[in-house]
Amino acid sequence: AQSVTQLGSHVSVSEGALVLLRCNYSSSVPPYLFWYVQYPNQGLQLLLKYTSAATLVKGINGFEAEFKKSETSFHLTKPSAHMSDAAEYFCAVSDPGANSKLTFGKGITLSVRP
Amino acid sequence: GAGVSQSPSNKVTEKGKDVELRCDPISGHTALYWYRQSLGQGLEFLIYFQGNSAPDKSGLPSDRFSAERTGGSVSTLTIQRTQQEDSAVYLCASSFGGGQEQFFGPGTRLTVL
Repeated sequence: AQSVTQLGSHVSVSEGALVLLRCNYSSSVPPYLFWYVQYPNQGLQLLLKYTSAATLVKGINGFEAEFKKSETSFHLTKPSAHMSDAAEYFCAVSDPGANSKLTFGKGITLSVRP
Repeated sequence: GAGVSQSPSNKVTEKGKDVELRCDPISGHTALYWYRQSLGQGLEFLIYFQGNSAPDKSGLPSDRFSAERTGGSVSTLTIQRTQQEDSAVYLCASSFGGGQEQFFGPGTRLTVL
């Protein structure tokens, strides 16, 4: 069975500050890992994904994440927060097989202060 | 091209009524997934289709929930005898195949009174 842990439910940063959203996973097989963003009243948009290639993954809007197998982590970072980054962020894991259903963490709401 | 579309965007129903939620995946996507997003449970997988077959229905919460997919395209999620705990946003996603990026629709917000 797979699981994802996102500690805390809310993170607040100042505009221009570093964004760090933590994600730890549990999986019995080498996983695929994803970060999705959800803006209010919208669906999920893929930010980035790890599929067993480079461990440092760059995504859209300046976000990146590093897969660390020894720590079973896939933390999301952005060097400088923008007001437009305020949203809910979900980390997810899947098997690389045919049925790659996603198992999501509970999500973290990011607020950006002016 | 068009993304994943879902209808209706909002549905309010009375307890005990049946509802149908529709998903139109991206053309050519063979895999289709339904998820549910609720305050108490977060985002949960419901069912996975590959073509018209559903090899994984493990996330359907009860036998009141069913889904079908026809023509390898449109999918309908049906909830019979709705209960208040069914209130949630139901999200559909599609992909070119298993293991590929899933593209999500905007969701259907279901409210059961």
